[in-house]
Amino acid sequence: DAKTTQPTSMDCAEGRAANLPCNHSTISGNEYVYWYRQIHSQGPQYIIHGLKNNETNEMASLIITEDRKSSTLILPHATLRDTAVYYCIVQYNDYKLSFGAGTTVTVRA
Amino acid sequence: DAGVTQSPTHLIKTRGQHVTLRCSPISGHKSVSWYQQVLGQGPQFIFQYYEKEERGRGNFPDRFSARQFPNYSSELNVNALLLGDSALYLCASSGAAGTSGRGSYEQYFGPGTRLTVT
Repeated sequence: DAKTTQPTSMDCAEGRAANLPCNHSTISGNEYVYWYRQIHSQGPQYIIHGLKNNETNEMASLIITEDRKSSTLILPHATLRDTAVYYCIVQYNDYKLSFGAGTTVTVRA
Repeated sequence: DAGVTQSPTHLIKTRGQHVTLRCSPISGHKSVSWYQQVLGQGPQFIFQYYEKEERGRGNFPDRFSARQFPNYSSELNVNALLLGDSALYLCASSGAAGTSGRGSYEQYFGPGTRLTVT
């Protein structure tokens, strides 16, 4: 069962930063926060994950609050190709990913 | 490097038939997981295999089975197909089964197989 809460949808202007929130108030101390996205009709794509420190890679940044009860995925310069469903998942080890409904992000020109 | 590959891309079956879906993981990955994604929903976990052993199973009936081969590729089999089995079937690979004590493993998904049952 999904342990996260995300907004159903959000719009973002092309070229601007997209900030995607995720609440995970019941996260355990050893659980990681993962973000995946799924572009229409494709397989989900791994974006980034973290435990308690902020993380950055070539795709995005992940900001985790100090109490670890919420996080924000930041796409620094959204493009039309970033239009997708974004999933926030918390888990320990890769036994299984529990996908919720995710956030449908629409990037508009 | 090649990513996760799945075959076939699409197929159409009739109720009661059997289907076999195939997956090849990323080179060096020993764990394969299968997911079912019904239209409009997030993927649902079906199985995970690691080193040819089943490590986890989701809430799916016994009509669903899978196996992993020595080269770490995997097959998902579904017997007695129902209309409700129509979905995108996704395969994901990762470096380990998550039982070694290390807590984080990212999974890499293939493009999926679109199964339509008529």
